[in-house]
Amino acid sequence: QVQLVESGGGLVKPGGSLRLSCAASGFTFSDYYMSWIRQAPGKGLEWVSYISSSGSTIYYADSVKGRFTISRDNAKNSLYLQMNSLRAEDTAVYYCARVRLERRGYFDYWGQGTLVTVSS
Amino acid sequence: DIQMTQSPSTLSASVGDRVTITCRASQSISSWLAWYQQKPGKAPKLLIYKASSLESGVPSRFSGSGSGTEFTLTISSLQPDDFATYYCQQYNSYPWAFGQGTKVEIK
Repeated sequence: QVQLVESGGGLVKPGGSLRLSCAASGFTFSDYYMSWIRQAPGKGLEWVSYISSSGSTIYYADSVKGRFTISRDNAKNSLYLQMNSLRAEDTAVYYCARVRLERRGYFDYWGQGTLVTVSS
Repeated sequence: DIQMTQSPSTLSASVGDRVTITCRASQSISSWLAWYQQKPGKAPKLLIYKASSLESGVPSRFSGSGSGTEFTLTISSLQPDDFATYYCQQYNSYPWAFGQGTKVEIK
């Protein structure tokens, strides 16, 4: 069955960096586009970033553009999110999600999430 | 950018009730809309895609309708397992956008 397992979250000071990972299994990872979506405590869902199956097409939300970098390693069935210059407003649970590609795509499987807390 | 607005923000209902949640897009998104259910401390779960297509394994009491800018998610007979927060999401164009969520509470 499809499994997505995020890791790498934790407490970081403002201005710091963190790298999130998402390990995929149960499907042919290299065939699928993937995305990161976050949820601040007690708030709604916010799309963060998106990467095509080959990694050639990448999109970012304006709120993270220039600070976050999405990447993938199809040989390792893994998705990554490098987060730099972190701010308090980046505090959230970060989910990786598989994209079912129809039009721009929607999210058919989600990981359990990893909590990122940005605080001094 | 397309904005998604859900109403109501909170809905109180009883088991067996028919429940309807509305989602409006700031511009036409054709039928490129998905609905998700999220329970506390859990990841969202896909319920509906392309406005009205039921995801495999989702109970038939869930249904979606609409096109253009106005969409609805209906639960025909609310069950105890359905008390959760529901989100719509447009996938017509970048950037992807979610509604702010509708919490379905026990009356």
